[in-house]
Amino acid sequence: AQKITQTQPGMFVQEKEAVTLDCTYDTSDQSYGLFWYKQPSSGEMIFLIYQGSYDEQNATEGRYSLNFQKARKSANLVISASQLGDSAMYFCAMREPGYSSASKIIFGSGTRLSIRP
Amino acid sequence: SQTIHQWPATLVQPVGSPLSLECTVEGTSNPNLYWYRQAAGRGLQLLFYSVGIGQISSEVPQNLSASRPQDRQFILSSKKLLLSDSGFYLCAWSERRDTEAFFGQGTRLTVV
Repeated sequence: AQKITQTQPGMFVQEKEAVTLDCTYDTSDQSYGLFWYKQPSSGEMIFLIYQGSYDEQNATEGRYSLNFQKARKSANLVISASQLGDSAMYFCAMREPGYSSASKIIFGSGTRLSIRP
Repeated sequence: SQTIHQWPATLVQPVGSPLSLECTVEGTSNPNLYWYRQAAGRGLQLLFYSVGIGQISSEVPQNLSASRPQDRQFILSSKKLLLSDSGFYLCAWSERRDTEAFFGQGTRLTVV
């Protein structure tokens, strides 16, 4: 069964520093998608970045990049030049194979990131 | 553009009372629809997902049920709430391909 593991329950980072949030996944499928979401204290889920399993280049979206290491089954999120507004819960997620229209998306347990001024 | 509406935002219900949470999506057709529950400070647990009208897949056996009476409407129900049903319920939708899911604003349910 697919599984997402986030081993960092909480992290503290100084403002303007870069931060890496870890995510490992477990799947026997060759085709899958990986996502990162941000959840501020308001509770809304904000999509940040997506990586397809066949994408050869790491995904980037502004200050966010996804360090995708397929052989290690890891999909770490890197936030460059952190800002106070980056303080939130961050979730890694995975979608089942894309050939299935009934694909579900599962989430890790999350990492609470706190940015220090 | 696509939008997702979920209501109510907060709900306090007594134990044993029924529940109905509604989610609707606009601006798209044949979306995949999802219901998740999040306990305080925890991750998201997938409860139900649907690929079409009347087609519901259940992930976790419990006293909750889901229905999809229309293409863009997804309803989460319970006949009798338990204290353990308290949590933050999130509805989401995605296209029928390998893309991200978009979430509603969530419903914070407290069972007392």
